[in-house]
Amino acid sequence: AQKVTQAQTEISVVEKEDVTLDCVYETRDTTYYLFWYKQPPSGELVFLIRRNSFDEQNEISGRYSWNFQKSTSSFNFTITASQVVDSAVYFCALSGALHFNKFYFGSGTKLNVKP
Amino acid sequence: ETGVTQSPTHLIKTRGQQVTLRCSSQSGHNTVSWYQQALGQGPQFIFQYYREEENGRGNFPPRFSGLQFPNYSSELNVNALELDDSALYLCASSLTSGAGDEQFFGPGTRLTVL
Repeated sequence: AQKVTQAQTEISVVEKEDVTLDCVYETRDTTYYLFWYKQPPSGELVFLIRRNSFDEQNEISGRYSWNFQKSTSSFNFTITASQVVDSAVYFCALSGALHFNKFYFGSGTKLNVKP
Repeated sequence: ETGVTQSPTHLIKTRGQQVTLRCSSQSGHNTVSWYQQALGQGPQFIFQYYREEENGRGNFPPRFSGLQFPNYSSELNVNALELDDSALYLCASSLTSGAGDEQFFGPGTRLTVL
């Protein structure tokens, strides 16, 4: 079974604080892909990153960084020096190689960044 | 390059009615997926179309049906609407139907069933 768990329903931070959004996944596929999407109030899902199961290198893109650990089935997302514009709902998603391109989404984490 | 577009933006229907939602895929993309997102939840996969054929389906009843046209645009049809069908319906297109392909999402259609 494919499953994504985002245990943090809502997080509130003050601007410039660092924040980490957790994502834990379950899959029996040996080849799979993990994604993070951002959903602002407008509703459109915005792609942030994709990782495949064979690449455990952490990635940094500006203020964003991702930590992928197969040993704990986790793919966590950190925002450094958060800004008000980072306020949104963030979704982690999983796509298994044996399931065409069907995405399994977590329930999302709502991030509130206060000025 | 035009992104994924969806119409209408909002829709209000009554229980038992039928509804059609539309999606235009991003240029060059031959695969369209539909998702239902209930309030406060993550998107749930409905089905996927690849080159005009249904390529896979989630746990949704047959009253949810779809089409994909030769230009790769797509429709989602829902018959006999129920109150629980109230949700944001998201369309996503991808370059191929292959696993791991990035999906580009449209702004969604918010359906309210009264």
